[in-house]
Parts: sequence; structure tokens; C-alpha cells
Amino acid sequence: GIQVEQSPPDLILQEGANSTLRCNFSDSVNNLQWFHQNPWGQLINLFYIPSGTKQNGRLSATTVATERYSLLYISSSQTTDSGVYFCAVVRQTGANNLFFGTGTRLTVIP
Amino acid sequence: DTAVSQTPKYLVTQMGNDKSIKCEQNLGHDTMYWYKQDSKKFLKIMFSYNNKELIINETVPNRFSPKSPDKAHLNLHINSLELGDSAVYFCASSQGWSGSGRAYEQYFGPGTRLTVT
Repeated sequence: GIQVEQSPPDLILQEGANSTLRCNFSDSVNNLQWFHQNPWGQLINLFYIPSGTKQNGRLSATTVATERYSLLYISSSQTTDSGVYFCAVVRQTGANNLFFGTGTRLTVIP
Repeated sequence: DTAVSQTPKYLVTQMGNDKSIKCEQNLGHDTMYWYKQDSKKFLKIMFSYNNKELIINETVPNRFSPKSPDKAHLNLHINSLELGDSAVYFCASSQGWSGSGRAYEQYFGPGTRLTVT
């Protein structure tokens, strides 16, 4: 399968701080998604971003497919941003299932 | 309107029992999936159906049997439950699958937390 590595594994931020989460993958992909799993366990779609840059409020993401990485930026973090952030990819060859990274656990303290 | 829904949300049962989890999507998607999240939060594909046909069957014990009565539903039946089956099971759907040369965004249900005692 494809390897998906996320860093850092854990991150603690003061409310209002900015952060960058990274996702590296080992093979060519034609889908990359970022998810936020909130403390209630729900998986929330943040971005569908196989390439390029997208922004949604305080969050933005960039995927450089040729270099096999993606970045998720969180600005002016809030306590509600706490949870686990997952990167997941679909390989360019093969079936359509997502391969997930191991996640970054973010804790935002007031 | 809930896009991908699962029932039940929580399921507590004893070893050896048989149980089912239901999933429905109202997005008009052709492809549906079951993923399992283990106790360490790792998410992994179990099954995928496209237009009611099985297209992915990962290394899952044959005690797990998916069933797709129509494109909008993908149910998961588990026989002879074991302690190691305790996990959160997520259903997902996408417009299509990569066999058509594209990749589609996947949308996830709220999850079913299964606890086997």
C-alpha cells in the first residue's frame, strides 16, 4: 500500500496561535483529503485537495503533488479546533479507498 | 438533512452475538465504503461497493459480511462477535470510484461505536 505520514503527532497550542500540520505520502495520488475528528468522534471534511491551495476561513491547505506532501494551516486557533487531524489519500493506480495517516492530535488551551 | 447516516450510534453486545450496522446516504452517490477505526485511532478500509457490486474486500474475517440492497444503502453484518471487533465503524460514500479514471471526495457518516464484552 501507500505510506502516509503526518507530523507532528501531537501539538499543544495557546488559543490564538497559528500552526502547520504536514502530510507526506509515498506514491502518486489523485485524491487527498484533510479531516478533523472532533472530541465526539465525528469525521468532518475540511478539504478535498489533490493539488493546489484552498482556503476556508481560518484554515487553508496546500498540496504539492509532485513532491508528495500536503500542508494544513490553522490560524488564530480556537479551543474548538482541538481534536485529531487526519490526512488521507487515494492512490493514482488502484481502487478508490482512502489510505489514512496516523493523525495529528491538536490541543488548544485557553 | 443528514448526508450519510448510520444506525445505531452505539452498540454494546456480548461475545458470540451477531449484530448489524446500517448505513444510508441521500447524496445520490454510486460508491459506498466501510472503514474501521481501532483503539489507536487508525482508520482502515474494510469494504467498498460500487452500484451494489463489491469492488474492495480487504483482509477482513469472513464473519463480516456487507450487503448493499440498493445504491443508497450499505449494511454491515457481523457474526460471532469477538472482543477484538470493538472499534468505531464508519460508513462513507463518494460520487464514483477511481476505476473510471477520477478520484472523488468521500463523505463520512457519524460512526458506530461497537463494544464487545
